[in-house]
Amino acid sequence: GDSVTQMEGPVTLSEEAFLTINCTYTATGYPSLFWYVQYPGEGLQLLLKATKADDKGSNKGFEATYRKETTSFHLEKGSVQVSDSAVYFCALLNNAGNMLTFGGGTRLMVKP
Amino acid sequence: NAGVTQTPKFQVLKTGQSMTLQCAQDMNHNSMYWYRQDPGMGLRLIYYSASEGTTDKGEVPNGYNVSRLNKREFSLRLESAAPSQTSVYFCASSGQTGRADTQYFGPGTRLTVL
Repeated sequence: GDSVTQMEGPVTLSEEAFLTINCTYTATGYPSLFWYVQYPGEGLQLLLKATKADDKGSNKGFEATYRKETTSFHLEKGSVQVSDSAVYFCALLNNAGNMLTFGGGTRLMVKP
Repeated sequence: NAGVTQTPKFQVLKTGQSMTLQCAQDMNHNSMYWYRQDPGMGLRLIYYSASEGTTDKGEVPNGYNVSRLNKREFSLRLESAAPSQTSVYFCASSGQTGRADTQYFGPGTRLTVL
């Protein structure tokens, strides 16, 4: 079945540092890929998405590129802020469009 | 525009008790979903409803039932709660299944079963 693997956290960075959170997936067909963010005590919010190979999703300074050849969708940000502290989830939507499969989440902590 | 709302926010049950988690969306979405979130495991799909009047099992449906009451509302019922059902439950909705539609999530219900 489909699966998503993302790097375990927590990831601790200083403000303005470069962020990479790795995500790889296993799926049949051509899934869509998502990054969701969860702030403390809240539900998940869509951060960005990509629906086909070589697409780049971007939002709020975050970027991720859908790499079919390496089955990856790594999340990057050039300069993190304290307000980016949250848990980040990589997810794929299957071809039928009825099931999101999530990775285990990566907690990011940004220190001033 | 409230998006996806869930009630209650917190609940404590004793083993064997029953309860219903409520979810409503005001985005005129066709599809709705119930997930549970356990530490270190991401979210797992319990049930979904592709459209009003239909429901289907997800990855972890055992011990749960659902009702799509109308287009707006999708409830999750635990008939006889067990400690293994202690989790955070999220409801979500999307325009429709079968497309790369974004799912929008509610704030969650934190359930503890003693």
